[in-house]
Amino acid sequence: DTVLTQSPALAVSPGERVTISCRASETVSTLIHWFQQKPGQRPTLLIYLASNLESGVPARFSGSGSGTDFTLTIDPVEADDTATYYCQQSWNDPLTFGSGTKLEIK
Amino acid sequence: EVQLVESGGGLVQPGRSLKLSCAASGFTFSDYNMAWVRQAPTKGLKWVASISYGGNNTHYGDSVKGRFTISRDNAKSTLYLQMDSLRSEDTATYYCARHYVYYGSPYFDYWGQGVMVTVSS
Repeated sequence: DTVLTQSPALAVSPGERVTISCRASETVSTLIHWFQQKPGQRPTLLIYLASNLESGVPARFSGSGSGTDFTLTIDPVEADDTATYYCQQSWNDPLTFGSGTKLEIK
Repeated sequence: EVQLVESGGGLVQPGRSLKLSCAASGFTFSDYNMAWVRQAPTKGLKWVASISYGGNNTHYGDSVKGRFTISRDNAKSTLYLQMDSLRSEDTATYYCARHYVYYGSPYFDYWGQGVMVTVSS
């Protein structure tokens, strides 16, 4: 299975720029997608196919990368961005998710 | 507005069965592949199973293969997950998710609110 590795947690102050990384154990082309999950809520799609912003998602969110290394950037961070962020790949079978990065806003 | 509403969860003993449902609205259900994704308490997300828009093709994660069955009724716009031989490790919130396909590349664009399944004696 394709393992997606994410750093477990980050803490930043409002207004700062934050980058969340996702590293794949094998190439996934650009078939990486990013989700936000706030406590007690369902996941919501932020970015699809590595760099495409989902409709309705603020332009503060952006994604980049290809192959095995991917990044989700939030600039500037707001207090409401407190959540866990997951990457997910759909290039290889089975579909897999990263373990999530918990973002704390100081 | 796309809506996915899961139901059928609850407490079940190990070895027993449970059937989840996901009622879809706000889109043409029969045009989309669908999936189940689960999340164990305090853990991350894990794909469980997917089904093609017509229901002819199904695909399962190794941890549920042979025990779970995904199906759909397009006339009722409803997705199902039949879970047999349940184990304690199946305890999780189960989400129904829609597969959107963009130029041949799939991703989950909408999720239901989730339904909790607890497997315990």
